[in-house]
Amino acid sequence: NAGVTQTPKFQVLKTGQSMTLQCAQDMNHNSMYWYRQDPGMGLRLIYYSASEGTTDKGEVPNGYNVSRLNKREFSLRLESAAPSQTSVYFCAIVRDGAYEQYFGPGTRLTVT
Amino acid sequence: QQQVKQSPQSLIVQKGGISIINCAYENTAFDYFPWYQQFPGKGPALLIAIRPDVSEKKEGRFTISFNKSAKQFSLHIMDSQPGDSATYFCAASETGGYNKLIFGAGTRLAVHP
Repeated sequence: NAGVTQTPKFQVLKTGQSMTLQCAQDMNHNSMYWYRQDPGMGLRLIYYSASEGTTDKGEVPNGYNVSRLNKREFSLRLESAAPSQTSVYFCAIVRDGAYEQYFGPGTRLTVT
Repeated sequence: QQQVKQSPQSLIVQKGGISIINCAYENTAFDYFPWYQQFPGKGPALLIAIRPDVSEKKEGRFTISFNKSAKQFSLHIMDSQPGDSATYFCAASETGGYNKLIFGAGTRLAVHP
């Protein structure tokens, strides 16, 4: 997965609980992204980070927060999980100077 | 608003045949068009990509055809193999706009032996 790790691999939450999904890269590339994948809808961008300390909203940011405290890590936080956030979450990176996005293995989240 | 429309939703091809998946986009500012392959339980893997300055790009059995005037692009898989059975996603982005990918809904390909 191009040096992108995601934790946890699976998670089950109850409605209203909070959690943080972690993404880490083994290089120091600037651009990192969070997507969610739902059946029949492809992947949709939640948030992205163009560099350490900067973040911006994508297509579907509501209900999520992100943090890019250093170059290696980009975390996605659900403050109060809802069943509509049941999805598979993917982190992606872009190598500096390139266009290609490389995805991590994903976190499968179920909210009951 | 779906900016990238992908068809068909599912496709069955016999081994050795040609698989064709089509995508259409709306935003004329898009200038990067990748295709991803995804196996169950795995993350999407970049397969091949094209910029609008060329009309075709080939890598092994995989070819992208690009029609800028029609705002369409397609993936052709020649000599399809059972190991190609996966879900394929087209995507598009503006490389000058932080390269935020807009994905199609995906095509589930099954290659029968």
